[in-house]
Amino acid sequence: DIQLTQSPSFLSASVGDRVTITCRASQGISRYLAWYQQKPGKAPKLLIYAASTLQSGVPSRFSGSGSGTEVTLTISSLQPEDFATYYCQQLNDYPPTFGQGTKVAIK
Amino acid sequence: QVQLQESGPGLVKPSETLSLTCTVSGDSITSYYWSWIRQSPGKGLEWIGYIYHSGSTNYNPSLKTRLTISADTSKNHFSLRLTSVTAADTAVYFCARLTGVNAFDIWGQGTMVTVSS
Repeated sequence: DIQLTQSPSFLSASVGDRVTITCRASQGISRYLAWYQQKPGKAPKLLIYAASTLQSGVPSRFSGSGSGTEVTLTISSLQPEDFATYYCQQLNDYPPTFGQGTKVAIK
Repeated sequence: QVQLQESGPGLVKPSETLSLTCTVSGDSITSYYWSWIRQSPGKGLEWIGYIYHSGSTNYNPSLKTRLTISADTSKNHFSLRLTSVTAADTAVYFCARLTGVNAFDIWGQGTMVTVSS
């Protein structure tokens, strides 16, 4: 299985901050990478697919970049509703796998 | 809009079979691939498997020997059956739609399943 490692696992930030989360893969995943946001007690919500394509309805402050073995999720200006846990997911190869998550908390 | 709803017992005894159903509204399961995913504190998010309406399936090798996913197009739902469960199968189980861009775009709310005697 392809292992995905997110860094950091936890970060604290303030409203308005620029936040970057990195997802590193144990082998190349091309651009078959998606990002999700999950709030407590809720299902994950798709933010970005194909590494950099914004899902319909997702604010433009979210962006994704990268390919190969390293991809990043950037939130350009953190909003109160963005405090959550973020996961990356690959489907370059089966089985699909997820990163361990990055919790974004209020500083 | 498309909605998915999981249903099934919240408590299963060890060695017994876990059975869940995902009912889809607002879309037909004759399109897309329909997946099960689970989430536990110890293992994070884990993809279980998918089914296509034709009946073709793809399972996580780690669960393959205990797993069956089936679909009923007349009821527009698909189901999960996991045999010989242990405490390690305790998790929140989600159903989700897998799109052609290799991402899960619609999820059910999730259902907690505890394996305990």
